[in-house]
Amino acid sequence: VQLVESGGGLVQPGGSLRLSCAASGFTFSSYWMSWVRQAPGKGLEWVANIEQDGREKYYVDSVKGRVTISRDNAKNSLYLQMNSLRAEDTAVYYCARDLTSTALDYWGQGTLVTVSS
Amino acid sequence: SSALTQDPAVSVALGQTVRITCQGDSLRNYYASWYQQKPGQAPILVIYAKNNRPSGIPDRFSGSSSGNAASLTITGAQAEDEADYYCGSRDSSGDHVVFGGGTKLTVL
Repeated sequence: VQLVESGGGLVQPGGSLRLSCAASGFTFSSYWMSWVRQAPGKGLEWVANIEQDGREKYYVDSVKGRVTISRDNAKNSLYLQMNSLRAEDTAVYYCARDLTSTALDYWGQGTLVTVSS
Repeated sequence: SSALTQDPAVSVALGQTVRITCQGDSLRNYYASWYQQKPGQAPILVIYAKNNRPSGIPDRFSGSSSGNAASLTITGAQAEDEADYYCGSRDSSGDHVVFGGGTKLTVL
């Protein structure tokens, strides 16, 4: 199992960024998938998850309305579209596979998003 | 603030047993999972569904739960176990995944 995130970088406040996660080594379409972030020196914060066919999605309150999770099962890829970015969105963003409703068993190496002017 | 509460730091002597705890109302209804994170690395799942270990996780790691609390026990702590440990579960609504604030484990 491998999860590889990309798309992070430096963006100004109010800007947008699209993160991608390329999955391999398992049947991607069979699993819920999540995004989790970690601000510098802080703990883990779950951001969003999406069910296998992409219809059901959930978000942490702090990103609702600004962030959209999506997936392309044909491309084995997970995405996170982030708009109206704020300084407090600065973090390493990890994609992770949902093993169960309460456990994430595989994580990518993360991609750093920095929101700063 | 997190819906799951952990002690910020715990220490253990090399080879001794240490318990890391996690408290939250949602733990009465949902299993806890536990993650180990070393500096600069992604988290690793060490325990899920109360006391299941993924492949490759040493059997010195075990989990338990009672009421609104869950615990991760390391029996015979090794130097390489020094890391941050996070519990995870669901919030009370069941819609969202939540993590505890993390516990920094120091192996003396």
